[in-house]
Amino acid sequence: QVQLQQSGPGLVKPSETLSLTCAISGDSVSSNIVTWNWIRQSPSRGLEWLGRTYYRSKWYNDYAVSVRGRIAVTPDTSKNQVSLHLNSVTPEDTGVYYCVRDGEWWFGLDYWGQGTLVTVSS
Amino acid sequence: QSMLTQPPSVSAAPGQKVTISCSGSSSNIGSHYVNWIQQLPGTAPKLLIYENDKRPSGIPDRFSGSKSGTSATLDITGVQTGDEADYYCLTWDNSVNAGGFGGGTKVTVL
Repeated sequence: QVQLQQSGPGLVKPSETLSLTCAISGDSVSSNIVTWNWIRQSPSRGLEWLGRTYYRSKWYNDYAVSVRGRIAVTPDTSKNQVSLHLNSVTPEDTGVYYCVRDGEWWFGLDYWGQGTLVTVSS
Repeated sequence: QSMLTQPPSVSAAPGQKVTISCSGSSSNIGSHYVNWIQQLPGTAPKLLIYENDKRPSGIPDRFSGSKSGTSATLDITGVQTGDEADYYCLTWDNSVNAGGFGGGTKVTVL
């Protein structure tokens, strides 16, 4: 059974960097048949796909246009986890952030972390 | 603005059929599968339909999906009060090389 355990601060100041970690159990971050995604949710923006990382002989990333240039999704193979870094945050980045596995089906977001509420405020 | 367009809300009486539409373009729905996500109140989202019309294990066959051209549809036949939730369509877009959701549809069972 795959489990995704998220951790990170719930409060970030404007202009600083939002950093969250997702510890993976029951699967490998280096698996060459899955991708690891970050998705956020806010009342104003609904569900928003932010980006992903995946391994296919080498590491790849894809990012949403809305956060491109501010985001990095990075794997840590030694700890079997994936991290999200979003810099220069504003109050618009406030929301619930989810770590999500895309597993055996096409873009099949089959396992979700518990979600982390991140508030951007001074 | 969401990549995909859904009606904000639909409602139906218990036992009736609910249909949720999801409209896109040739670069997203027209080129890729569509998945559907269900979010019950106060819970994390859950995969409901994948690859247009397939159900993960445990999803009742009351839920069905279809796709035609640049649009997709989620049907709930014999809707129940426990189906009250927000439903989102999801796909990939080649023009921006990114994933995207619809704005979500709130289903109310009267």
